[in-house]
Amino acid sequence: SAVISQKPSRDICQRGTSLTIQCQVDSQVTMMFWYRQQPGQSLTLIATANQGSEATYESGFVIDKFPISRPNLTFSTLTVSNMSPEDSSIYLCSVDIRGKYNEQFFGPGTRLTVL
Amino acid sequence: GENVEQHPSTLSVQEGDSAVIKCTYSDSASNYFPWYKQELGKGPQLIIDIRSNVGEKKDQRIAVTLNKTAKHFSLHITETQPEDSAVYFCAASLYNFNKFYFGSGTKLNVKP
Repeated sequence: SAVISQKPSRDICQRGTSLTIQCQVDSQVTMMFWYRQQPGQSLTLIATANQGSEATYESGFVIDKFPISRPNLTFSTLTVSNMSPEDSSIYLCSVDIRGKYNEQFFGPGTRLTVL
Repeated sequence: GENVEQHPSTLSVQEGDSAVIKCTYSDSASNYFPWYKQELGKGPQLIIDIRSNVGEKKDQRIAVTLNKTAKHFSLHITETQPEDSAVYFCAASLYNFNKFYFGSGTKLNVKP
């Protein structure tokens, strides 16, 4: 397996501000994914980030609110823009490590609280 | 799109007993079914998965069964231990497509 890290692990932010979350993998992966997990809820896919192409967003998520970068095969960032209290969630990145479709491994998550 | 339902939402068992968590899915084209364990403050951990060409898969105390006809799959944990206490999520996806549809989660509490 691979080591997946996220920074920050948690943050408390004021409404109207933006936060960039980093995801780092210790091996090269083609596909990286960003999920949101609202308090006590299940996981919802925000977008898929492939290196060298624009991220693909799921219904209900837009690039202006959640811009994503994927500069290389080991790193990605998710920005939560113009935050409101409704954005308070755990944000998780996951990766398809072995290049096999479907097998996703998750990072530890970033717990975001917006006041 | 796919809809995955998971039951029960909470499950409390005595240490040493077995625990069963069930999921149903709606899209008969789904053919990959992973199970994740999420401990408090951590990301989900893949614990076992099954593909639609297999009816059952075991890994030590954990097993998953799949009934394609009925479109349901289950997680079985035998000889439960306190460290099995966590939230468990099932998911379904279509092979070659990485979009997962997650169930709502089951909070398992194993009482010592």
